[in-house]
Amino acid sequence: AQSVAQPEDQVNVAEGNPLTVKCTYSVSGNPYLFWYVQYPNRGLQFLLKYITGDNLVKGSYGFEAEFNKSQTSFHLKKPSALVSDSALYFCAVRDAFSGGYNKLIFGAGTRLAVHP
Amino acid sequence: SAVISQKPSRDICQRGTSLTIQCQVDSQVTMMFWYRQQPGQSLTLIATANQGSEATYESGFVIDKFPISRPNLTFSTLTVSNMSPEDSSIYLCSVKTSGGSDTQYFGPGTRLTVL
Repeated sequence: AQSVAQPEDQVNVAEGNPLTVKCTYSVSGNPYLFWYVQYPNRGLQFLLKYITGDNLVKGSYGFEAEFNKSQTSFHLKKPSALVSDSALYFCAVRDAFSGGYNKLIFGAGTRLAVHP
Repeated sequence: SAVISQKPSRDICQRGTSLTIQCQVDSQVTMMFWYRQQPGQSLTLIATANQGSEATYESGFVIDKFPISRPNLTFSTLTVSNMSPEDSSIYLCSVKTSGGSDTQYFGPGTRLTVL
């Protein structure tokens, strides 16, 4: 069965410091991996995805994520955090071999708090 | 990406009533989905809205409770029937566009409170 784990409920970072939000996954086949961000009282915004190719993927707002197959991880990173990055971040996975079935499995979410 | 709107954005409803949530996309999309986000929780897929046929429901969700329509490639509705306080959640519509993209894009959500 597919699953996603975000081991940290909250991550606290000082503005200007690098940030990492962790995600590990479990799928039976090759994973399609996604990061979304949710600001208060808003829907989910797509940040980036890994389907195939380069393990380091770059996305919106200066975020990037590194796919590590051996560690089954897809951690979200940013070199220099902004206060405006404070939000709820979700990692999601889909099994590439699920055919026409497009179900995304979401992690529990990690709240990022960037302090001035 | 697609521009997705939902109506209403929020509502407060009485126990036992029903609410229909609308999802409108600005372009034709291949697939539409409905998710639920309970307070402080992650997202759970309710069903895939199929154009011209019955929706495909996930385990734990049934058509009688969450009837779904998708009359065309840009519009879908989700009804939350016979509501109870446990149905208080954010309901989100998402879409996959055509062209082989694997990305799902989400609407702004409908925040439902049941008293």
